Amino acid sequence: DAMVIQNPRYQVTQFGKPVTLSCSQTLNHNVMYWYQQKSSQAPKLLFHYYDKDFNNEADTPDNFQSRRPNTSFCFLDIRSPGLGDAAMYLCATSRELQGAYNEQFFGPGTRLTVL
Amino acid sequence: AQSVTQLGSHVSVSEGALVLLRCNYSSSVPPYLFWYVQYPNQGLQLLLKYTSAATLVKGINGFEAEFKKSETSFHLTKPSAHMSDAAEYFCAVTHSGTYKYIFGTGTRLKVLA
Repeated sequence: DAMVIQNPRYQVTQFGKPVTLSCSQTLNHNVMYWYQQKSSQAPKLLFHYYDKDFNNEADTPDNFQSRRPNTSFCFLDIRSPGLGDAAMYLCATSRELQGAYNEQFFGPGTRLTVL
Repeated sequence: AQSVTQLGSHVSVSEGALVLLRCNYSSSVPPYLFWYVQYPNQGLQLLLKYTSAATLVKGINGFEAEFKKSETSFHLTKPSAHMSDAAEYFCAVTHSGTYKYIFGTGTRLKVLA
């Protein structure tokens, strides 16, 4: 089945220690998204890629970076995690459709704990 | 600009009772509307979507929603709640020409035995 896969599902890191979360997709979608979701809150868009074009949200901290080496993979790098970065990180994909909506397909998420 | 308001951050219903989760939207362009469900420690799963076809939309797990333009609403209903429906539900809006979704703040549904 075509899907969005996130690894690992649970990640524990130490304060200030860089961490990388990964997302892969078999849907061949050209748009990929990273969201941060804190407990009992709506997902917050960090950035998205349209093919290789990177689009950062204005309020995304510089501490968060992303890489998309190819269509299938996208990575979220947190350079110096703080306690406030503990959250669920969701990856999503969509296929661009001219003149229509872009339905987003979500992965299962990675829960990040910062000690 | 678009926005979504979900009334009631927590809703409790008895098993077998009607489920009604409220979503109101604001949009200056024709909206596309979605309901997602999220179980603990999982991603978002699409329940149903309105994409300008039929105003009454049927989704998975017995849920449905009705788009009412005059009321700017897209409320989610299910005739009979099941214990397995306990989860968090998010309403979202988007429109043609954007990659962004605007999510509501979510409603946590509790089903009482």
